[in-house]
Amino acid sequence: EVQLVESGGGLVQPGGSLRLSCAASGLPFSVYWMTWVRQAPGKGLEWVANIIKQDGSEKYYVDSVKGRFTISRDNAKKSLYLQMNSLRAEDTAVYYCARFIEGAGMDVWGQGTTVTVSS
Amino acid sequence: DIQMTQSPSTLSASVGDRVTITCRASQSISTSLAWYQQKPGKAPKLLIYKASSLESGVPSRFSGSGSGTEFTLTISGLLPDDFATYYCQQYKSYSWTFGQGTKVEIK
Repeated sequence: EVQLVESGGGLVQPGGSLRLSCAASGLPFSVYWMTWVRQAPGKGLEWVANIIKQDGSEKYYVDSVKGRFTISRDNAKKSLYLQMNSLRAEDTAVYYCARFIEGAGMDVWGQGTTVTVSS
Repeated sequence: DIQMTQSPSTLSASVGDRVTITCRASQSISTSLAWYQQKPGKAPKLLIYKASSLESGVPSRFSGSGSGTEFTLTISGLLPDDFATYYCQQYKSYSWTFGQGTKVEIK
């Protein structure tokens, strides 16, 4: 069974850091584009970042997280990461990792991990 | 950046109704559009990709159409399981964007 499992969420103070992880199983992880999507409480989906080459060399970010968040992957560990620095209250959300099939959308999603930024 | 605008924001309908949700892009995205369904507390589920291709396992009452800047998601014969929030998402550029969502409620 193809599965993505996120971890690493929690409560952090404004200005703090957090590293999210996403472990993949049941799929050949290295060949796929991967992405992070978040959803603030009561709000819609927001794309956060994606990594579109197997070696992790090409990455894109939504403007609001550029310079603060870093997406990365470890193909040997079948894992995706999101390093989040200088966190703000507006980063509070459920963070999902997802697999993106080129030309076809995000077909496999994790269950989400909750990040709360508050003092 | 490409902006995606969905309408309506909320839609009240009855079981058996045919419903249509519209998504407009701020510039042409060809057919680089996907539709997702999300239920409360759950991850989104891919329904449609390439604007009109049905994801494997998704019931045929769901259909998508459009190209360029205007797209629609149609549910033909609403079932109780279909009451949820629906999002469009463009992937024409590498900076992806979602529409703001359409909540389909029970009338």
